[in-house]
Amino acid sequence: DAGITQSPRHKVTETGTPVTLRCHQTENHRYMYWYRQDPGHGLRLIHYSYGVKDTDKGEVSDGYSVSRSKTEDFLLTLESATSSQTSVYFCAIKEIATGEQPEAFFGQGTRLTVV
Amino acid sequence: QQQVKQSPQSLIVQKGGISIINCAYENTAFDYFPWYQQFPGKGPALLIAIRPDVSEKKEGRFTISFNKSAKQFSLHIMDSQPGDSATYFCAAPSRSTGRRALTFGSGTRLQVQP
Repeated sequence: DAGITQSPRHKVTETGTPVTLRCHQTENHRYMYWYRQDPGHGLRLIHYSYGVKDTDKGEVSDGYSVSRSKTEDFLLTLESATSSQTSVYFCAIKEIATGEQPEAFFGQGTRLTVV
Repeated sequence: QQQVKQSPQSLIVQKGGISIINCAYENTAFDYFPWYQQFPGKGPALLIAIRPDVSEKKEGRFTISFNKSAKQFSLHIMDSQPGDSATYFCAAPSRSTGRRALTFGSGTRLQVQP
């Protein structure tokens, strides 16, 4: 299995509190992604990174921020959690952006519940 | 935003039967079309991918068929087994991210009955 670790795996938090999810990789891959998975929506891209300190928004980025200060770590922060952010969050990594290599590896996911 | 429409939402197949999942996309400038398999409590795993310059790709019991004129691609699972019961997602590179990320279909929950 690819070296991707998401933490925490489960979290319950209250509305209005900040939350940070961590994705750690040992593959030295350049690209890292955060997706959220909700019933009926598949996986939707929140933010992605194409290098240290290089990040960009995805289709559902409102209410989320990210940081990547090291190749191996990609952090997702909910500045003020809302109930609509209750979801399962997946991190993914990839070595190259295009060509015959889609997102190769996904983490195990973080189940976040905002009450 | 690139749209990838997946059907059916759920599928029940008898053991040994053929499972067919379809996806339609809106644009053609892509490098590949991947399919992912996800078991409960796990992250998606890349199952098989096809480039748009070929019409079919087969890996074991899994086959992707690509119809460029119809802007559709489908996953066929031959001799379906109970162990194939999972959720399947099609995807395509997202134009809005310069093809750096994927846009996913909404998923198909497959149940193979013994």
